[in-house]
Amino acid sequence: GAGVSQSPSNKVTEKGKDVELRCDPISGHTALYWYRQSLGQGLEFLIYFQGNSAPDKSGLPSDRFSAERTGGSVSTLTIQRTQQEDSAVYLCASSFLRDSYEQYFGPGTRLTVT
Amino acid sequence: DAKTTQPNSMESNEEEPVHLPCNHSTISGTDYIHWYRQLPSQGPEYVIHGLTSNVNNRMASLAIAEDRKSSTLILHRATLRDAAVYYCIYWGPGTYKYIFGTGTRLKVLA
Repeated sequence: GAGVSQSPSNKVTEKGKDVELRCDPISGHTALYWYRQSLGQGLEFLIYFQGNSAPDKSGLPSDRFSAERTGGSVSTLTIQRTQQEDSAVYLCASSFLRDSYEQYFGPGTRLTVT
Repeated sequence: DAKTTQPNSMESNEEEPVHLPCNHSTISGTDYIHWYRQLPSQGPEYVIHGLTSNVNNRMASLAIAEDRKSSTLILHRATLRDAAVYYCIYWGPGTYKYIFGTGTRLKVLA
């Protein structure tokens, strides 16, 4: 079946612009996670959704970052006034339940802020 | 945060077994240990998880120390396709978020 998809696959933006990153989880998965991975680093947790609500936003690095999920499905991660340090690969994952032991990751969106 | 410690890199010859170690001395009694791997230019993929007993699946085996402060991922016969970064992780206490470290980069030599 279809896996987690993310769009765009690559995004180049100028410093100060806003960007939106999209994640389509696996159908029926109630939990959705956003991570980011800077070059050569491990993954950094950003935010987690259970259904449409986000019980844990602790990983968002600043108030320029926000995320929403609608219809218990698609999620959008928005970065306002992008900075060069926001350059990274943004990964989305979903799982059937929040305590499922297997998260399914998408291929990521590579964001480059110039 | 839920910290794990892994060697930065390891090498293995093709067709030989690989033992990837992980220390997780602060793990609680109810936290499962998860292993994921990340192939180049891809998102991580689940490999295996376990609590106390050793676990086997089609991809790998997981050996967990009796005191649960360490574990070892075992690839029985490494192939070139197993070259990846391997992450040993567990959920932070009271949360459902993975805390990833930098993992072990496995190089498989032909």
